[in-house]
Amino acid sequence: NAGVTQTPKFQVLKTGQSMTLQCAQDMNHEYMSWYRQDPGMGLRLIHYSVGAGITDQGEVPNGYNVSRSTTEDFPLRLLSAAPSQTSVYFCASSYSPRNTEAFFGQGTRLTVV
Amino acid sequence: ELKVEQNPLFLSMQEGKNYTIYCNYSTTSDRLYWYRQDPGKSLESLFVLLSNGAVKQEGRLMASLDTKARLSTLHITAAVHDLSATYFCAARKGNQFYFGTGTSLTVIP
Repeated sequence: NAGVTQTPKFQVLKTGQSMTLQCAQDMNHEYMSWYRQDPGMGLRLIHYSVGAGITDQGEVPNGYNVSRSTTEDFPLRLLSAAPSQTSVYFCASSYSPRNTEAFFGQGTRLTVV
Repeated sequence: ELKVEQNPLFLSMQEGKNYTIYCNYSTTSDRLYWYRQDPGKSLESLFVLLSNGAVKQEGRLMASLDTKARLSTLHITAAVHDLSATYFCAARKGNQFYFGTGTSLTVIP
């Protein structure tokens, strides 16, 4: 059972480049989410999805897009990378957003230069 | 928006001692979560607290929730070195989760 798989683990981008962070889960979870973790700020929710075809904005959505075409996959797109997007990104999934724990991927460390 | 504050931010404690981490949140939330993160690693779920008065225990860790006071606590009993990590609480509002800034715990032999 792979759980939540994120790729890549590390990425360096130049300012203005675009890229997609991949997230896949094999637990048939309905709820998936993306967070960024910055020093001293905990985790902040970027976007989330409660099911295939349904996405919504979290606390810090600007500069990011998501889509959810299947239950398994929830990619995060950076449209035009900025140094302020340097962070560690985590994808998480749970059976539902209400009563159950979230399972986190291993994270992607992104540096924008 | 829901604000979540954890205290303390840093905690250094000797093995065998007890201590409590506090998690306050600003508006109504009836679900509270605790996670552990080891350096350079992902987050691991510790507890899900579903209702007022809920108490859960796993080994040397015990978590509780008081929704009236908007407070959750994570109590560490007789700390051991293996508990050294960063601990996060998170509160739910609707379909969104709000995390505290984390408590970095170091247990000294």
